[in-house]
Amino acid sequence: AQSVTQLDSHVSVSEGTPVLLRCNYSSSYSPSLFWYVQHPNKGLQLLLKYTSAATLVKGINGFEAEFKKSETSFHLTKPSAHMSDAAEYFCVVSDVGDYKLSFGAGTTVTVRA
Amino acid sequence: KAGVTQTPRYLIKTRGQQVTLSCSPISGHRSVSWYQQTPGQGLQFLFEYFSETQRNKGNFPGRFSGRQFSNSRSEMNVSTLELGDSALYLCASSKDPAGVPYEQYFGPGTRLTVT
Repeated sequence: AQSVTQLDSHVSVSEGTPVLLRCNYSSSYSPSLFWYVQHPNKGLQLLLKYTSAATLVKGINGFEAEFKKSETSFHLTKPSAHMSDAAEYFCVVSDVGDYKLSFGAGTTVTVRA
Repeated sequence: KAGVTQTPRYLIKTRGQQVTLSCSPISGHRSVSWYQQTPGQGLQFLFEYFSETQRNKGNFPGRFSGRQFSNSRSEMNVSTLELGDSALYLCASSKDPAGVPYEQYFGPGTRLTVT
């Protein structure tokens, strides 16, 4: 069975400083991994997705994530936080042929001016 | 290109009633999935449809049901509403589930409040 664990429920950063959101996954097969963002009262937006082509994945708005199979991790980073990055972030795993996404509990990001 | 649309956006119902939510996927997308989001349980998978066939179902009671039409539009129904059914219901569509990775695009959701 597939699952993800987001290691931090809340992360607070100052504007202009790096952001790190941690995610560990469990999957029976070679997983597909995603990061989604949800701004208040909005739907979910896809930030980036992992394919087997490259372990370092670049997404929208300056975010990137690194797939580390040996550590079963898929951490999300951004070099410099912006006020508009304040939102909830979800790490998501999907197994081929399962036709569903399994979400982590989410990490709320607060950006201080 | 229009995104995933869901109607209605907000709904207030009374315990014991039933409700139907509607979802129109992105044009060309044939897979539609439904998720429930609550503060306590987070985001949970309800079911997935492709070509009018349910291919996977989450761990929800039989009061939750869905269907997909030949134009890929989908509806979900909840009968005999309970207070605990109050949630944001999200619909997502995907272009080709045979492809990897299986990325889904979400609508804005329907906020259901049961009183």
